[in-house]
Amino acid sequence: EAGVVQSPRYKIIEKKQPVAFWCNPISGHNTLYWYLQNLGQGPELLIRYENEEAVDDSQLPKDRFSAERLKGVDSTLKIQPAELGDSAVYLCASSPIAGGQETQYFGPGTRLLVL
Amino acid sequence: AQSVTQLDSQVPVFEEAPVELRCNYSSSVSVYLFWYVQYPNQGLQLLLKYLSGSTLVESINGFEAEFNKSQTSFHLRKPSVHISDTAEYFCAVREWSGNTPLVFGKGTRLSVIA
Repeated sequence: EAGVVQSPRYKIIEKKQPVAFWCNPISGHNTLYWYLQNLGQGPELLIRYENEEAVDDSQLPKDRFSAERLKGVDSTLKIQPAELGDSAVYLCASSPIAGGQETQYFGPGTRLLVL
Repeated sequence: AQSVTQLDSQVPVFEEAPVELRCNYSSSVSVYLFWYVQYPNQGLQLLLKYLSGSTLVESINGFEAEFNKSQTSFHLRKPSVHISDTAEYFCAVREWSGNTPLVFGKGTRLSVIA
């Protein structure tokens, strides 16, 4: 079974430029998560989708961040414009259904460096 | 809201020695507890989780963790570590309802020395 796929794996951009990250969850997983992981920290949730619906986006900085999951499968996370402080690893995860006990399956992440 | 404290940011240990990675949590409601592991250049993967029942849970590669409600702890242990156990270990908590996010600790980097 293929795992969660993310691309690109690495991205270097200049500040004020836009950037987008793509995630393909495990087949059949209805729930998709985007996390931000700063250096030396654990992942922090940015947004959670149940199928196409964003059910928790309270931690997403909506002035510059946006996300979509149009067909309830793949998802894209965008930053526009990027700031120096956005340098971090962006993780995508998926789980079969919603629920506190569900195991989340993580992709390898996209490492972003903003210069 | 839940929170997780991992008391050690780095733990060096010799191969075949025992190890304990400490995790304490805070929550006003019932929670599920997880340990995730991140090997170099890989994504996080579940190591083990406590849902209910026996307070001692085990993984397939020899790790175990014990849920202690009175001490609000979920420490991870292994009696004899291998070089391949070198990784970052994250403790995480989530309330039963699933309506709040999975909350992670800052992680503990385990370095096994030959």
